[in-house]
Amino acid sequence: GAGVSQSPSNKVTEKGKDVELRCDPISGHTALYWYRQSLGQGLEFLIYFQGNSAPDKSGLPSDRFSAERTGGSVSTLTIQRTQQEDSAVYLCASSLVGSGQETQYFGPGTRLLVL
Amino acid sequence: AQKITQTQPGMFVQEKEAVTLDCTYDTSDPSYGLFWYKQPSSGEMIFLIYQGSYDQQNATEGRYSLNFQKARKSANLVISASQLGDSAMYFCAMREGHSNYQLIWGAGTKLIIKP
Repeated sequence: GAGVSQSPSNKVTEKGKDVELRCDPISGHTALYWYRQSLGQGLEFLIYFQGNSAPDKSGLPSDRFSAERTGGSVSTLTIQRTQQEDSAVYLCASSLVGSGQETQYFGPGTRLLVL
Repeated sequence: AQKITQTQPGMFVQEKEAVTLDCTYDTSDPSYGLFWYKQPSSGEMIFLIYQGSYDQQNATEGRYSLNFQKARKSANLVISASQLGDSAMYFCAMREGHSNYQLIWGAGTKLIIKP
């Protein structure tokens, strides 16, 4: 079966522009996660979805960041008025709630560069 | 205090040798799960192995095994017969029982296999 997919794989944008990053989770996975990883760093949690609701948005770094999930499937992470410090790899993961392990499976990431 | 500690920022290992990557954790929750992920230079986060706190035996998955020492709160990853393709960043992560989703991540260990 297909894994987690993300698009675009790479995005170069100018400071001040808005960007949208997309995540398509593994079919049937109800939980979806967004992380950010700066160069050479570990993972920074951004937001978690259970179905279409986001019980934990505590990791979103500012109000320029927002995310939504529709139909319990695809999720979009939007960054408004991008800044150079937003440059990073944005990773999406999904998991099957109730599986016991709740293992998170990751997509290939979107590499965002803000000039 | 760090909840997940990976004390080896980098390691060099000769091909075909076994390698142990250290991970110690800190939790007061009796129920927790420990995960290891591999991140090659391509950037994708690949799930390797899982150990539950109540599992009686150490987890194994092919060439990967987990040396789980509960009293010492350590969950070291052992890779047997290392291969050049094992060169990557390796992350240890923990999910505490009171959280059904949030993973706490270590800083990672960069493993380089020498031919």
